[in-house]
Parts: sequence; C-alpha cells; structure tokens
Amino acid sequence: GESVGLHLPTLSVQEGDNSIINCAYSNSASDYFIWYKQESGKGPQFIIDIRSNMDKRQGQRVTVLLNKTVKHLSLQIAATQPGDSAVYFCAENIPGAGNMLTFGGGTRLMVKP
Amino acid sequence: NAGVTQTPKFRVLKTGQSMTLLCAQDMNHEYMYWYRQDPGMGLRLIHYSVGEGTTAKGEVPDGYNVSRLKKQNFLLGLESAAPSQTSVYFCASSRQQVQPQHFGDGTRLSIL
Repeated sequence: GESVGLHLPTLSVQEGDNSIINCAYSNSASDYFIWYKQESGKGPQFIIDIRSNMDKRQGQRVTVLLNKTVKHLSLQIAATQPGDSAVYFCAENIPGAGNMLTFGGGTRLMVKP
Repeated sequence: NAGVTQTPKFRVLKTGQSMTLLCAQDMNHEYMYWYRQDPGMGLRLIHYSVGEGTTAKGEVPDGYNVSRLKKQNFLLGLESAAPSQTSVYFCASSRQQVQPQHFGDGTRLSIL
C-alpha cells in the first residue's frame, strides 16, 4: 500500500549547523503534510504544516519544502541546537479518509555539542 | 493549559485482563484519535471520532473498542489483553479535518 517514508533513520549534526530531514510520500492525492518532533518519553509535538497548494512555508528556525513533482517533503532546521535532538516524523493526509494522517517511521536527529 | 491528558501513564496487565485508557482534551476539539506506537514503526491509527457519539475504525482496530460519550473524552478499551498489544498508546485531537493533531504524552502498556 502507499505510505510515507523517510530516507535516513539517523542524522547527526554539529551544534550551530543547519539540519535537513527528508521524507518521501507516495500518494499523489495527499493534500496536507505535517512535521512532528518527539522527545523521549513524550508525545509528538507539532512543528509545522504545509498544504499541497504551497511549496514552501517558514516558521521560527524551521522551513518545510514540498516538491510535488517528485513527492518529496523536507524539514530544514536552522542553527541546530541541542534541544532539537529528537525523533522527527512526517505525516500526510489523504483526502476523504477522515483526516487520517499516515505517519512515516521517523528520523532521529542527534546534535553534537 | 492542559491540552490532551492521558491516564494512566503506565500499566502492566496479564493476558486476558481488560482495561480502559482515558483521554481528555480541553480545547473543544471535534476530532479525537487513538494511535499505537511500536519500535521501528510509525504511529498507527486504531480508532477515531469525528464528534461526540461517533466512532470509526482506523488502520489497526482489532482487539480494541472506543467510546465518545462526551466531546472532551475519548476512551480506548481492551476487552481481553494480548501480548501483541504491548505498546505505547497516544491520544490526539484536532479542531477540524486537515488541521494539526495535538497529542498527549502517551500510556505505556505492557501485557505479560
């Protein structure tokens, strides 16, 4: 079946560098995408979202890019900090499925001091 | 500002026992969801609700039942627990369709 997936299970970056976390999706009908951050022992925390009529959206230190041509989503974190260390999930919404988000398996971001 | 609250946080059950996981949200959200999270796998939807008095099956509904008697509460029941149901369970809510879901901090359930 169609699903959301991630290229890299673990990403290690130096504090202060920029981080890029990638996500591939296979359902061309998906109209909404979300990035979540999950720290150990906590629930997923909403970071940023983007609708399919956009290709870029910026938040505080984060940017989400959507490339519908190749069905690719990325999360860019500027000036990565130790507090950014967590598992990051992307999720897609498939229209007509009752807002049932389909989640990827997650990428662990490790920030080295 | 509580958001989504799940109780209990931890529980150990024996095979065949039953229990109910509680979820409460104070954001007046219409939609509520129950997920399970297993190692190496993403969140999988068990059941969801689009409003008070309504429930629907998600991706992995077998072995679970739910109820939404009040808008702010969504209950997940295990009638006869099995070791395969050992997992971390997350509840979430959203205001409407196609909007961010807000998650609780999970219930860690072990079934021996």
